[in-house]
Amino acid sequence: QTVVTQEPSFSVSPGGTVTLTCGLSSGSVSTSYYPSWYQQTPGQAPRTLIYSTNTRSSGVSDRFSGSILGNKAALTITGAQADDESNYYCVLYMGSGVWVFGGGTKLTVL
Amino acid sequence: QVQLQESGPGLVKPSETLSLTCTVSGGSMRSHYWSWIRQPPGKGLEWIGYIYYSGSTNYNPSLKSRVTISVDTSKNQFSLKLSSVTAADTAVYYCARVLVTMVRGVIEGPNWFDPWGQGTLVTVSS
Repeated sequence: QTVVTQEPSFSVSPGGTVTLTCGLSSGSVSTSYYPSWYQQTPGQAPRTLIYSTNTRSSGVSDRFSGSILGNKAALTITGAQADDESNYYCVLYMGSGVWVFGGGTKLTVL
Repeated sequence: QVQLQESGPGLVKPSETLSLTCTVSGGSMRSHYWSWIRQPPGKGLEWIGYIYYSGSTNYNPSLKSRVTISVDTSKNQFSLKLSSVTAADTAVYYCARVLVTMVRGVIEGPNWFDPWGQGTLVTVSS
């Protein structure tokens, strides 16, 4: 069973930059997994931030960017703001019509 | 713009079948994939499965034996049935459109979930 790994938690200072990652329990994440990223605040549905590694969804601030860093997908937030405090989930396409979500990263801005 | 809304019982007894419906408004279901995703309280997201508007499906291997997803394009709805539920199936259930790129009939290219419904909490308890 493939496991998609994310940092359970991360903190960033207001105005700072943070990079969250999305890896695989076995192997490397590449663009062929078409990683996408979602932001979720408590009690709300997830919101699409990034798809296909680095394409921002409509209306998403350019403070959010996606990339491949080493063997993981990455979500970088620059100029962190208080309302960036959320849970962030990545999902990888495993092929054959199957997707696997990461466990999510709880980001604290303080 | 496309909007999705989940509906169904909020309480299901153990061993029974959970049934939910997702109503799509503001757009057609044609030529799109539609998915169910769930989130146990305080935990992460889990992909359950998808259905193409034509009726073809694929499911999470860990749930495959208990899941059925169906579609009724005349009503702009698709549905989830999860059988033999236990407390571990207690979760917020979301429906979402899956935007995909097809190459020779296979999903092969950029794909992502958008938009999502607001989610509905289903509790499994006697």
